[in-house]
Amino acid sequence: DIQMTQSPSSLSASVGDRVTISCRASQGINNYLAWYQQKPGKVPQLLIYAASTLQSGVPSRFSGSGSGTDFTLTISNLQPEDVATYYCQKYNSAPRTFGQGTKVDIK
Amino acid sequence: QVQLQESGPGLVKPSGTLSLTCTVSGGSITNSHWWTWVRQPPGKGLEWIGEIYHTGSSNYNPSLESRVTMSVDRSMNLFSLILTSVTAADTAVYFCAKMTPGRAAVGFDYWGPGTLVTVSS
Repeated sequence: DIQMTQSPSSLSASVGDRVTISCRASQGINNYLAWYQQKPGKVPQLLIYAASTLQSGVPSRFSGSGSGTDFTLTISNLQPEDVATYYCQKYNSAPRTFGQGTKVDIK
Repeated sequence: QVQLQESGPGLVKPSGTLSLTCTVSGGSITNSHWWTWVRQPPGKGLEWIGEIYHTGSSNYNPSLESRVTMSVDRSMNLFSLILTSVTAADTAVYFCAKMTPGRAAVGFDYWGPGTLVTVSS
């Protein structure tokens, strides 16, 4: 089965900073990669699908890139409301594995 | 707009069976989606448990496959999860979600609110 590895596991940045989170698949998954945001005590929300397509209603400061095995989630201009844990997920085929998550907070 | 709602006992005894249902509203369970279960132990990450199509076709997480069964009730517009021989490690918030397969796939775009299941005597 394909494993999904995120880095870093946590990060702390200042408001207005540019933040990048990496996700690596152990085998190629084309662009069948989704990113989710989960705020404490809340349901995960789909942010990005097809590696780089923003879900409706998601602020444009979020962007995704990559294909094959290496993917990146970027938050430009980090805002206090972006404090959350972010997960990548492969969804091309079962098992539809999640990465272990990256916790983002504000310095 | 599809809405999902999990239901079931919040407490299960060790070695017992966890049984949850996810009721689908705002759409038919016979639409072309994978109906999915995901869980999250307290303070930990998301784990994909498995999925079922309205035809009954299913896929399970290999780490749980020996203990998991999913089913669909088309008349009640719901799908179910059964997890046997539970231990404290199965304590988690259980979410149901949906995914459209194929070229229209976008990941899990609709989720239920989740339900906490605690395994304890």
